[in-house]
Amino acid sequence: NAGVTQTPKFRVLKTGQSMTLLCAQDMNHEYMYWYRQDPGMGLRLIHYSVGEGTTAKGEVPDGYNVSRLKKQNFLLGLESAAPSQTSVYFCASRRGTDYSEAFFGQGTRLTVV
Amino acid sequence: KQEVTQIPAALSVPEGENLVLNCSFTDSAIYNLQWFRQDPGKGLTSLLLIQSSQREQTSGRLNASLDKSSGRSTLYIAASQPGDSATYLCAVLYNQGGKLIFGQGTELSVKP
Repeated sequence: NAGVTQTPKFRVLKTGQSMTLLCAQDMNHEYMYWYRQDPGMGLRLIHYSVGEGTTAKGEVPDGYNVSRLKKQNFLLGLESAAPSQTSVYFCASRRGTDYSEAFFGQGTRLTVV
Repeated sequence: KQEVTQIPAALSVPEGENLVLNCSFTDSAIYNLQWFRQDPGKGLTSLLLIQSSQREQTSGRLNASLDKSSGRSTLYIAASQPGDSATYLCAVLYNQGGKLIFGQGTELSVKP
């Protein structure tokens, strides 16, 4: 049971480049989340999904897009990367029941130069 | 606005001391609250999950309490050890929309 897997684990981008981060879960979870974590700060919610085909904005959605075409995958896209998007990105998932706990991936360290 | 706040941002204690970490949230309409541990440069490790209907949860030397009406949770660590040094994060699952919102974390240092 792999749980929540993030791909890639590390990436360096040049300003203006685009990329997609993949979050995959094998637990048949309904809810999935994308966060960013900057030094000395907690995790800030970027976007989340309450089920296949749905997405919603979180606390810091600007500059990011997401898609949930398959239940097991939640993609985070950066169309034109900026140095301010240098961060560690975490993905999480949880079951559809209201009281379920969240499970996290190991993170993706992204540097935009 | 659904916010979560953790105070203090950093805490340093001598080994063996009992300590309390605080987490407060702005909206009492929550499903649950989860405490995590994060070591430097690492991912999140779930410590305790406390449902909105519960008052406390215990795991070993850790005890989490929840007072939903006042919007507060505490994480009590008994007999602290240097290996407890890490950042502790609380996350609140809000009823509205299913958002899972984190506090800023408390960085704990336990000195030998």
